Amino acid sequence: AQKVTQAQTEISVVEKEDVTLDCVYETRDTTYYLFWYKQPPSGELVFLIRRNSFDEQNEISGRYSWNFQKSTSSFNFTITASQVVDSAVYFCALSLETSGSRLTFGEGTQLTVNP
Amino acid sequence: NAGVMQNPRHLVRRRGQEARLRCSPMKGHSHVYWYRQLPEEGLKFMVYLQKENIIDESGMPKERFSAEFPKEGPSILRIQQVVRGDSAAYFCASSPRHGTKAFFGQGTRLTVV
Repeated sequence: AQKVTQAQTEISVVEKEDVTLDCVYETRDTTYYLFWYKQPPSGELVFLIRRNSFDEQNEISGRYSWNFQKSTSSFNFTITASQVVDSAVYFCALSLETSGSRLTFGEGTQLTVNP
Repeated sequence: NAGVMQNPRHLVRRRGQEARLRCSPMKGHSHVYWYRQLPEEGLKFMVYLQKENIIDESGMPKERFSAEFPKEGPSILRIQQVVRGDSAAYFCASSPRHGTKAFFGQGTRLTVV
């Protein structure tokens, strides 16, 4: 069975600091997809990124960057120069090609960015 | 193209009542997933439906919970005889095909009093 672990329950930083959110996953499947979602205080889920298991290229989107390393089964998320609006719960998730679009979520990391 | 629509956004039920949560997938999407988020926890998969069929209900509690996705109309998650422990946010997601990215609705926050 697949599993996603986000070991950091809560992180608190001061504005403009860089912060990395860790995600470790477990699966025996060779084809899978990894995701990050943001859940702001308003409660909706905001899609951030989807990567497939064959694409280990790191990705950068503005202040966000993702580091995918199959060797350590990790898909870490870094926010550069954090802002107060980044305060939210961030979820890492995994889906298998065999199970459609069904997602297995980690428990989430509560990020608080203080001014 | 409207996104995934869930209603109501907030639902209050007394213990023992029934709760009906609705999810209208995005246009052209025939796959629907329901997830539950208990307070301070991550989202847990409940059920995966395709039009008129339940594909995977391995995450559904065995009693009081049921889901359907009829040929016409929204998908419905039904909780009978609600208890306080059912208080949670229920999210629906839809996708156009097996294995493609799913889009989430805004969620329904159920409070059982």
